[in-house]
Amino acid sequence: ETGVTQTPRHLVMGMTNKKSLKCEQHLGHNAMYWYKQSAKKPLELMFVYNFKEQTENNSVPSRFSPECPNSSHLFLHLHTLQPEDSALYLCASGRGRETAEAFFGQGTRLTVV
Amino acid sequence: GQNIDQPTEMTATEGAIVQINCTYQTSGFNGLFWYQQHAGEAPTFLSYNVLDGLEEKGRFSSFLSRSKGYSYLLLKELQMKDSASYLCAVVDSNYQLIWGAGTKLIIKP
Repeated sequence: ETGVTQTPRHLVMGMTNKKSLKCEQHLGHNAMYWYKQSAKKPLELMFVYNFKEQTENNSVPSRFSPECPNSSHLFLHLHTLQPEDSALYLCASGRGRETAEAFFGQGTRLTVV
Repeated sequence: GQNIDQPTEMTATEGAIVQINCTYQTSGFNGLFWYQQHAGEAPTFLSYNVLDGLEEKGRFSSFLSRSKGYSYLLLKELQMKDSASYLCAVVDSNYQLIWGAGTKLIIKP
């Protein structure tokens, strides 16, 4: 148990579907992150939220839409995805800017068919 | 550009010692992390180095040389449960984590 919970753990969706990934952290952190992890590639930072405000958007396609209603919850809304979007999507939280350590959830294994 | 290099895969024998290297070129340096990730699980924190030298924590040690842009993770008395991927990550001048692709460590009996 890392204090960061992601649901669902596995998701298969068609290219025309709309789905959402959910992340919740119980660590009292102020920062939350979405990462994409593909096989044999470095973790790709997608979005960063500090105190519910989006501070980073690393050129992520608009078919990925994040939402952060409060410091404990983070969503990633998915629509019209492509097969190459299949990957492990990891949520992480942290204490904020000057303390970069990230605490990860177990991820959602996404398959786009 | 920013770059973190680590071997893709390593194999070692139970009870032995293995060293996983990480070299980096980043815009600024504010520390280096090692994470362990078992298949299908979350990456978990192993170590953090910000000053040169060796940090020892039980069977695991991490070394940093800032002048060489180099770190290694040393695992002693290997156990089967150490089979995992080991991720190196550098904190750059913007306090962003820059990640390596990870080293998959296979432990054989």
